[in-house]
Formats: sequence, structure tokens, C-alpha cells
Amino acid sequence: DAGVTQSPTHLIKTRGQQVTLRCSPKSGHDTVSWYQQALGQGPQFIFQYYEEEERQRGNFPDRFSGHQFPNYSSELNVNALLLGDSALYLCASSQDRAYEQYFGPGTRLTVT
Amino acid sequence: QKEVEQDPGPLSVPEGAIVSLNCTYSNSAFQYFMWYRQYSRKGPELLMYTYSSGNKEDGRFTAQVDKSSKYISLFIRDSQPSDSATYLCAMSGSNFGNEKLTFGTGTRLTIIP
Repeated sequence: DAGVTQSPTHLIKTRGQQVTLRCSPKSGHDTVSWYQQALGQGPQFIFQYYEEEERQRGNFPDRFSGHQFPNYSSELNVNALLLGDSALYLCASSQDRAYEQYFGPGTRLTVT
Repeated sequence: QKEVEQDPGPLSVPEGAIVSLNCTYSNSAFQYFMWYRQYSRKGPELLMYTYSSGNKEDGRFTAQVDKSSKYISLFIRDSQPSDSATYLCAMSGSNFGNEKLTFGTGTRLTIIP
């Protein structure tokens, strides 16, 4: 049983560009959450998708947007990249229970 | 003030020692308390969770929650070099599957052989 998968593993972008990160949830899970983890910090909640809709959102600007597909996979889009967007972006999937959130390996984004 | 405070360490202890990791929080709505382990350049891995106050034991790991003091702990007995990682506490307000997790900054732990 494959766990949560994310792609790509690493990404280098220039300020002002746009980026799309992808996540496939664990089999049987229908909820996907995205987190941003800056170096030396804990993950910060960006938003959560359920039934193809954004259900909850953290304190992130509208430059951060997402999408969930009918197969429950999800994308995170970030527009107009800033240097401060450099971080590890984590996807977590779950079903019903908040504590059972399974994380993927993350996508490391570097903005230069 | 952050909702969840965690000493970032680093913490170094000899192999076989008992390790104590702690978090404090300010939001009384938190009811579910989790500990995650994160190895370098990997995603967090759920170790244990506890609902409300009390203790929970799983092998060498024991989680404690004191809601009256807004204080949670993770104890690791007979620590091993493979326990070297960053330990993150996380909390949520409900169990309905749609609650975000609020994390501490993580404590970096090194077990010295």
C-alpha cells in the first residue's frame, strides 16, 4: 500500500515565477492538507481540501491556491514567488480522524 | 505569542538514557495531542496521539497530557541512536477530520552511542 506521495522532490524557481506541487493521498483517504515548513520551524497549515473544495484555510495569502481532483489527489499552486516562500511543502492525507494525518516526504522549494 | 511552544534544543543524550520532550500551549480548545518524529529531509511520522488528559504508553514511548497546566510530554526510555531525529508536538481541536494541526517548532534530539 503506497503512502502519501509528492512530486517533484526538489524545485528551484526564480522570484516572481509560479509553481505547482502535486500530492497523491494514501489509499482510502479523501482529505488532503498542505503545510509549509520553513527551516528550523514546525509545519504551518496552508489549507485543506475535501470533496474537491477548500474546507479550511490557514493564514496564507491568496497567492497560495489549490485544487483537489475526483481521485482525491491535490495540487498546490503558488504565484508570484517570494524568497520567503523557500521551504519544505508537506502534504498530509487523512480520513475522518484529525490525528491520523499521514505526511508525504515533501517537496523542497528554493526561490532564488 | 505562539499557540504552541517547544524548546528547539538541540538536545544530546547518551544511549540508554531517558529522554523527556515537552510542549506548552495556550489554546484551551485543543483536545487531541500528537507527537511526530521527523528524520532529516523526510516528512513527519506519527508516533503517538492522546485525547484530553492522561498517559499513553507504546513500547519505549510514553505520552503525557496535563490540560490543567497546558503541558504535554513525550518520554523515550532506553534511547537508541536510531531515535536521533526532530520531534514535533502537534495539536488539534477536534476529531472530525477537518481540523488543522498546530505544530511546535520541533526539538532536535541526538542520541550519542
